Amino acid sequence: GAGVSQTPSNKVTEKGKYVELRCDPISGHTALYWYRQSLGQGPEFLIYFQGTGAADDSGLPNDRFFAVRPEGSVSTLKIQRTERGDSAVYLCASSSGLAGVGETQYFGPGTRLLVL
Amino acid sequence: AQSVSQHNHHVILSEAASLELGCNYSYGGTVNLFWYVQYPGQHLQLLLKYFSGDPLVKGIKGFEAEFIKSKFSFNLRKPSVQWSDTAEYFCAVIEGSASKIIFGSGTRLSIRP
Repeated sequence: GAGVSQTPSNKVTEKGKYVELRCDPISGHTALYWYRQSLGQGPEFLIYFQGTGAADDSGLPNDRFFAVRPEGSVSTLKIQRTERGDSAVYLCASSSGLAGVGETQYFGPGTRLLVL
Repeated sequence: AQSVSQHNHHVILSEAASLELGCNYSYGGTVNLFWYVQYPGQHLQLLLKYFSGDPLVKGIKGFEAEFIKSKFSFNLRKPSVQWSDTAEYFCAVIEGSASKIIFGSGTRLSIRP
């Protein structure tokens, strides 16, 4: 079946602009996660959803970052007033249950964001 | 704060050599442990995971890892590597029953044919 998909695959924007990154999880997966991966680093947790609600948003770096999952499926990560330091690959993952009880997270290909 | 250390940033081996990649974590309580792999141009995928039971875990493609609680370690091993094992390898930890995965910075593995 289809895996996790993310759009766009690449996004170039100017400093100060607003961007939206989309994640389509595997059908039926209730848990959805966002990570950010900077060059030479491992993925860094941002937020995860269980259904429609954000169960843990402790990784969001500041209030310019916001994510929604209104119908419990597709999620959008929104970044306001982008800064050059936001440049990274943004990864989405989904799982059929919570990773903490043994469910495997399946990762998407990521969106490469470049802020000029 | 919990952290994961992968001390080898880049490992270069010849085909058929044995592999061991180090991973140490800082949390003292119950942990769940993972190794993920990212082949060139592909998504991150799970190699193996430890949740409970036998501390020696078998994964895909002949990989295994051993959880040594007293050393806070979860090293990845493979007795004989192949050129196709060229990839970036990430160790990761979940604290207790949380669902937030903490990743290490990764080890790039290059295999000389």
